[in-house]
Amino acid sequence: IVMTQTPLSLAVTPGEPASISCRSSQSLFHGADGNTYVDWYLQRPGQSPQLLIYMFSSRASGVPDRFSGSGSATEFTLKISRVEAEDVGVYYCMQRIEYPCTFGQGTKLEIK
Amino acid sequence: QGQLVQSGPEVKKPGASVKVSCKASGYTFSSYGFSWVRQAPGQGPEWMGWISTYNGYTIYAQELHGRVTLTTDKSTTTAYMELRSLTSDDTAVYYCARDRVYATTMGAPFDIWGQGTMVTVSS
Repeated sequence: IVMTQTPLSLAVTPGEPASISCRSSQSLFHGADGNTYVDWYLQRPGQSPQLLIYMFSSRASGVPDRFSGSGSATEFTLKISRVEAEDVGVYYCMQRIEYPCTFGQGTKLEIK
Repeated sequence: QGQLVQSGPEVKKPGASVKVSCKASGYTFSSYGFSWVRQAPGQGPEWMGWISTYNGYTIYAQELHGRVTLTTDKSTTTAYMELRSLTSDDTAVYYCARDRVYATTMGAPFDIWGQGTMVTVSS
């Protein structure tokens, strides 16, 4: 399954919103359990990826509520309502409806 | 909450093998499996494979099948990734991540990651 992210980079003024899109080549909706298997990760410079959003819209433990996920089937969006300096890094979407898990190319977020 | 601590950086010559460890703590080891993910310099993450701590069942990425072996040791709550016949294309940071334990269930979000192990392949 191919995951395609847009944009590949964006520069945002602190306090302004940001949005990242992710498209999958196949539906990530699992009819048997009603769940959609796409997650979002943030990799800060020099760090391991960290889970932000799982099952397309559920925030992981400790993730600020300015992060939100939405979408359905093959189109997904990660939104940051008000960007802060600590949000810089590369954001990846990842599908896990089937192995091999596959990641998007990444979206690099910078602060203006 | 849980933590995964990986072994230190490795430098290997082409054709050699490398074995990376991932020590789990702070959660019940047998309740989760592991996925391994690698990231070449300047590239995105690439999933390598998954192992169940329940029965050792493994699933490998097609392009690595035959060169990679995943194992776990319940007595030390440690997971291992061995990669053989190394080439310069295997130069990357290797991560372990907590995943589902049963092959019959859907994959779990990677909620805990190791700190990464840099493997450099160079003559």
